[in-house]
Amino acid sequence: EADIYQTPRYLVIGTGKKITLECSQTMGHDKMYWYQQDPGMELHLIHYSYGVNSTEKGDLSSESTVSRIRTEHFPLTLESARPSHTSQYLCASSEPSTGSEKLFFGSGTQLSVL
Amino acid sequence: GQNIDQPTEMTATEGAIVQINCTYQTSGFNGLFWYQQHAGEAPTFLSYNVLDGLEEKGRFSSFLSRSKGYSYLLLKELQMKDSASYLCAVRDQIYGQNFVFGPGTRLSVLP
Repeated sequence: EADIYQTPRYLVIGTGKKITLECSQTMGHDKMYWYQQDPGMELHLIHYSYGVNSTEKGDLSSESTVSRIRTEHFPLTLESARPSHTSQYLCASSEPSTGSEKLFFGSGTQLSVL
Repeated sequence: GQNIDQPTEMTATEGAIVQINCTYQTSGFNGLFWYQQHAGEAPTFLSYNVLDGLEEKGRFSSFLSRSKGYSYLLLKELQMKDSASYLCAVRDQIYGQNFVFGPGTRLSVLP
């Protein structure tokens, strides 16, 4: 059973608000990821981190930022939410690359921006 | 660039066998993964292939042909709880060892 947690599970906010989506894992994994997924569509990588103080942008420009001050914590921040940000956001972590570097996903945050 | 294709939807009957295909084009292939995602839930890992051939794990098997850029997931003795989306994902060395996901195949298992 994966130990990766996301809060909140659901969030409805107004345009222009600043929000932070929380993600924590207790498995000691160095690599963490944020994906965005619209209904029936593929997951798109928006940010990832190789470890503490490492952050990289993925292939989707989401106008969000991330930080990695602690191994277990990888929050994602939207400075000014817009309706186009409405989506499901999935956090994941993976074990060191020794072969099957499978992803462990959190339960996701369903964000609706009005 | 990367490109992964899967059928959008499939339907099968309880107790039957179903094969979900995945074709991919990547620059630096380094493993193919299958994930299961129930509606409204997070994806969970099913299988991993990095060498050609068949990997069997209980009712689920996954096959890989690197020369053809092709994989399939085989589900046997289908159960109602197998109704879910099945995501094919490729790890790409050129893409920072990150994963590129296909659009997923939504499988409906009927009684």
